[in-house]
Amino acid sequence: DQQVKQNSPSLSVQEGRISILNCDYTNSMFDYFLWYKKYPAEGPTFLISISSIKDKNEDGRFTVFLNKSAKHLSLHIVPSQPGDSAVYFCAASAVIQGAQKLVFGQGTRLTINP
Amino acid sequence: GAGVSQSPRYKVAKRGQDVALRCDPISGHVSLFWYQQALGQGPEFLTYFQNEAQLDKSGLPSDRFFAERPEGSVSTLKIQRTQQEDSAVYLCASSSYTYQEQYFGPGTRLTVT
Repeated sequence: DQQVKQNSPSLSVQEGRISILNCDYTNSMFDYFLWYKKYPAEGPTFLISISSIKDKNEDGRFTVFLNKSAKHLSLHIVPSQPGDSAVYFCAASAVIQGAQKLVFGQGTRLTINP
Repeated sequence: GAGVSQSPRYKVAKRGQDVALRCDPISGHVSLFWYQQALGQGPEFLTYFQNEAQLDKSGLPSDRFFAERPEGSVSTLKIQRTQQEDSAVYLCASSSYTYQEQYFGPGTRLTVT
């Protein structure tokens, strides 16, 4: 069963506009959520995170929103820039046996058009 | 560089061969994780070490997969008698014990022919 889902495999946005990437999860035990960005032939790079006790976290152009009742989170990028073109993974975590165990979604490929 | 490094970056193996994939975590990071990423999917957890102790290996797909971290730093993921379904990118990540953030290496792309 897919505990973390990103239902949009791809998204295309005009430069300067807002990009919104969505993620749904099913397990209520997840207490921390992260977004990673991945360029081709590189490993995922941490972007932004949010604890389950918050509903919003902002870092520059990136904002993550968490709706616990809907088990839904989203990543907003504004304004979008060509360098934001990458695959974005959301991940949910729970501490199991003393370590954060990450469960990833399938990823959304974001393309920013000039 | 101070990041996580992995070698080799690419590996082609004939079906039935054994392979060994290496991960050098960030210096001082206590936790080390291995993930498998199939084409078009997100990374999937394989196993986790805290120092030299393998605390969770619930994600290893079969007993052909074996991981070790004997001195609590470098780790090796070994796959015996490789099968075509083992073709994937194998990612290593490390983290400081108290941090939530995992830092990933570039991965090893394994192709089994």
